[in-house]
Amino acid sequence: EDQVTQSPEALRLQEGESSSLNCSYTVSGLRGLFWYRQDPGKGPEFLFTLYSAGEEKEKERLKATLTKKESFLHITAPKPEDSATYLCAVQENNDMRFGAGTRLTVKP
Amino acid sequence: DAGVIQSPRHEVTEMGQEVTLRCKPISGHNSLFWYRQTMMRGLELLIYFNNNVPIDDSGMPEDRFSAKMPNASFSTLKIQPSEPRDSAVYFCASRDSNTEAFFGQGTRLTVV
Repeated sequence: EDQVTQSPEALRLQEGESSSLNCSYTVSGLRGLFWYRQDPGKGPEFLFTLYSAGEEKEKERLKATLTKKESFLHITAPKPEDSATYLCAVQENNDMRFGAGTRLTVKP
Repeated sequence: DAGVIQSPRHEVTEMGQEVTLRCKPISGHNSLFWYRQTMMRGLELLIYFNNNVPIDDSGMPEDRFSAKMPNASFSTLKIQPSEPRDSAVYFCASRDSNTEAFFGQGTRLTVV
């Protein structure tokens, strides 16, 4: 059973059209949930860490939230440069396991 | 710091050959991870080390895969013998305790 499930697999938005990406997890003892951005041909780049339900983090047009079962990455008024694959990962012990990612395309 | 450094960036090899991927983590980081990324399976955790000790290698697909971390500044992932289905991008990442992990640029492996 997958520990981390991301949806949707792909998302196409018009510039300025806000939306949310979902990351649901099934680990019992969450020690951290991480959001990363990955551009083609590059390694994942860190965005946020969330540790407990109710926590929120913001950076420019991105806002990450966490509940006991899932996390959302909200994108407000996206721009074409926000196009990338967004990955979430969960830490249960010392590991870090990733979901399959959401491929976001923002059209001008 | 220059970040996590992986070498080579690209590797093309023939089936049956031995392949060695290398990683230099960020200085001071005590955890190191090896991942494999494919379109079909996404980013899979192969093995991770804590203080140079392998903690969980349950993600290593077969006995053909092995990883070592002889010291805090170097790790290798070896595939012997390599097969076409091993073709993927292999990432190394490191972090300090429970903070975020930093990734290298990856090694794109093609086995023909």
